[in-house]
Formats: sequence, structure tokens, C-alpha cells
Amino acid sequence: KQEVTQIPAALSVPEGENLVLNCSFTDSAIYNLQWFRQDPGKGLTSLLLIQSSQREQTSGRLNASLDKSSGRSTLYIAASQPGDSATYLCAVRPYNQGGKLIFGQGTELSVKP
Amino acid sequence: DAGVIQSPRHEVTEMGQEVTLRCKPISGHNSLFWYRQTMMRGLELLIYFNNNVPIDDSGMPEDRFSAKMPNASFSTLKIQPSEPRDSAVYFCASSLLGQGEDQPQHFGDGTRLSIL
Repeated sequence: KQEVTQIPAALSVPEGENLVLNCSFTDSAIYNLQWFRQDPGKGLTSLLLIQSSQREQTSGRLNASLDKSSGRSTLYIAASQPGDSATYLCAVRPYNQGGKLIFGQGTELSVKP
Repeated sequence: DAGVIQSPRHEVTEMGQEVTLRCKPISGHNSLFWYRQTMMRGLELLIYFNNNVPIDDSGMPEDRFSAKMPNASFSTLKIQPSEPRDSAVYFCASSLLGQGEDQPQHFGDGTRLSIL
């Protein structure tokens, strides 16, 4: 059974720091891995989607990597800003489960001015 | 693009009442997903549709829950009768699957449901 774990559960950093969020999954048979952002009282916003054949994706100050063999992904945020404060979730789409996504519990990020 | 639209945004009702949640997916998307989010269990998939057909309903808690997608632009999730443990935020998401590489899922803002 696929399980997705995110560590740490919460993180607080001063503005301007570079930071890394971690995601691990137990079964490497996946189509892709996605990173989402969730603001309080809101739905999830897709940040980056990495196909299983890819190693990383970049969007602005965000960079996500994928190592399928070790079951790990990282989300790197450069030069963090208070506006980056939110909960970040990763999710994998396993083989043989249709379009289903399995989510981690998320990392709650707080960037202090 | 209006995004995924859910209604109502908030619902408070008494135990035993019927609850109906509504979702309008993004036009052109062929897959629709219903999720439930709680502090204890995180984000869980309840059911998803592809081309209006239910594909995986293994996450539906029990017979009190039912979902329909009568056409490509509308879906409902119904709880009857509702119980306090159904209190959660319910999200609808849509995506385009099976057309080459996967596209991200787009989420609505959710319905915050409280059963008293």
C-alpha cells in the first residue's frame, strides 16, 4: 500500500532563507509526483508536477526533484518570502489505481518578516 | 477560466439531515475527484469519475454517501443521513487525464461541512 510521508510537519524560517521540504513514498511504481500549496480556508493550488521519467521541475523560485528509486522528492524554495507561508503537500499518482492521488500530511511553512 | 466551482462554501446542519454538495469542473477536463480533508486523516479521495463514469469509489465511507455526475459540467456528493463524524472540508478537483502526459489536478475552494 502506497504511503506518503512529509517531514517536518511544521517549519518556521526567517525571510530570505533558502529552504527544503521533504517528501517520501513507499512504492516507486508511480506515474508522477505533484507538489501543492494550500492557504488557510482555500483549496489546493498545483505548484509543480514531475513525470516519472523526469528528475526535476522548476518554476520561478521553486525547484522540485524526484528520485523514484529511493522514493524521495524535495521542494526547494529560494529566497523565501512571507507570502510563501502556507501548507505544502506532495502527492503521488500510483500505477494501476487510475487517476487517484495519494497525499502526504503536509508541511506547514511560516516565513517570518 | 473560472476554475473549479463548489457550492455551498459552508454548510451547518443537524444530524440526520440530507446534505448535498455541488461541483462544476473546469470545462474540457475529463476527470473529476471528490476529496475529504480532516485534521486526523488528512486529504482522502472519496470517489473519482472519468468521462462522467465512476471509476473508483473505494474511498466512500459507507452507503450514506453517494455521488453522481449526470453530465460533464456538474457533479454532486450527497450524504444521507448525515452524522457529526462527517464534519470536514470536502473538495472537488478536476483534471485532464489520458491525453499524453498528466495535467495537474485543479481544486475548488471546498465546502466546510459541520454536522451538529
